[in-house]
Amino acid sequence: DAKTTQPPSMDCAEGRAANLPCNHSTISGNEYVYWYRQIHSQGPQYIIHGLKNNETNEMASLIITEDRKSSTLILPHATLRDTAVYYCIVTMNTGNQFYFGTGTSLTVIP
Amino acid sequence: GAVVSQHPSRVICKSGTSVKIECRSLDFQATTMFWYRQFPKQSLMLMATSNEGSKATYEQGVEKDKFLINHASLTLSTLTVTSAHPEDSSFYICSALRTDILYEQYFGPGTRLTVT
Repeated sequence: DAKTTQPPSMDCAEGRAANLPCNHSTISGNEYVYWYRQIHSQGPQYIIHGLKNNETNEMASLIITEDRKSSTLILPHATLRDTAVYYCIVTMNTGNQFYFGTGTSLTVIP
Repeated sequence: GAVVSQHPSRVICKSGTSVKIECRSLDFQATTMFWYRQFPKQSLMLMATSNEGSKATYEQGVEKDKFLINHASLTLSTLTVTSAHPEDSSFYICSALRTDILYEQYFGPGTRLTVT
């Protein structure tokens, strides 16, 4: 079963930062937080993942709270192409079974 | 990034027939691949974990005799939907686990199965 809770939908103005929250209050010490997104009728695309520290790559930043019970994915300058369903997944690094939750449907508005 | 392909992208079959879907990792070797199913407006549901050279591990509630998985090489896993029925119509997505750099799953583009 999915171990994450996300808001079902969010809107963001084009060019602004999109902040997508995720709650994972039952996360264990050796579990990672992964973020993927799925554009309609395509396979999910990897965005970023982290364990304890905040992470940043060319796509996004991941902020994990100190108690690791929640995290936020930040898309710094949202574009229309960022409209997608965003999934936050908690999993152990080895094995990597992904149990997807319902995700957040992000709509970027012109 | 790493590339995972699926074939076919779309397939329509008649009720009672079997359909095979291929999943290939094109630029890395994957000892582990995963198969998911996604119904319209729903999330992805993990069906099974496919390990090269061994039997697949199925999630609870997934019929192993209906969804046959073969992972015969480090770059290919196949899912065969046997005796397909209209309720098997769905979007089937595979992923391959890349472990040589980081533990990341790379997903294929999906296969749309319609059973008439």
